[in-house]
Amino acid sequence: AQSVSQHNHHVILSEAASLELGCNYSYGGTVNLFWYVQYPGQHLQLLLKYFSGDPLVKGIKGFEAEFIKSKFSFNLRKPSVQWSDTAEYFCAVSITGGGNKLTFGTGTQLKVEL
Amino acid sequence: GAVVSQHPSRVICKSGTSVKIECRSLDFQATTMFWYRQFPKKSLMLMATSNEGSKATYEQGVEKDKFLINHASLTLSTLTVTSAHPEDSSFYICSAREPKPTGNTIYFGEGSWLTVV
Repeated sequence: AQSVSQHNHHVILSEAASLELGCNYSYGGTVNLFWYVQYPGQHLQLLLKYFSGDPLVKGIKGFEAEFIKSKFSFNLRKPSVQWSDTAEYFCAVSITGGGNKLTFGTGTQLKVEL
Repeated sequence: GAVVSQHPSRVICKSGTSVKIECRSLDFQATTMFWYRQFPKKSLMLMATSNEGSKATYEQGVEKDKFLINHASLTLSTLTVTSAHPEDSSFYICSAREPKPTGNTIYFGEGSWLTVV
């Protein structure tokens, strides 16, 4: 079975700092990769996803992620964070042809300070 | 855009009673919905896949007789926690797949906090 690891559980940054959140997965086959964000009191929202093609994926709100197959990684990045990026971020993976079942990482709580 | 709604957002029930959580797709038809459970400081764990008009598919280790799932229509799936115990207290989230010609999009509900006392 596949699994997802997010190594940073809590991250605190100042505004304008750069962000990188790690995500590694374990599965030998073809996967689809996702980053979700959950702002306080709101639904989980899709930030970006990778199915195939260019391994550098750009999402909403200035986020991007790079799929590095050899490292089984899909790290999330943002060059300059804002206070409004304070949220919990979840990496998730689904197996191609697996019926859209998502396996989530444990999440990273990001706090951006003014 | 497409929205998935859960109700109730918070519920407290007594140990031994049953509680029902609803998941609705508000502006699209969802043939498939998913139910997740999140423990504190843990990831979301898939409990079951709810298929409209057929039985749900449960993940390994999830008791189907305890967590009853009904997907009676294309816009509604319900999760009933039967004979609830304090260890069932958790955050339950549903998601629904909106079929699109260019690929499926999954939307999440806002989650339901269940506290069993």
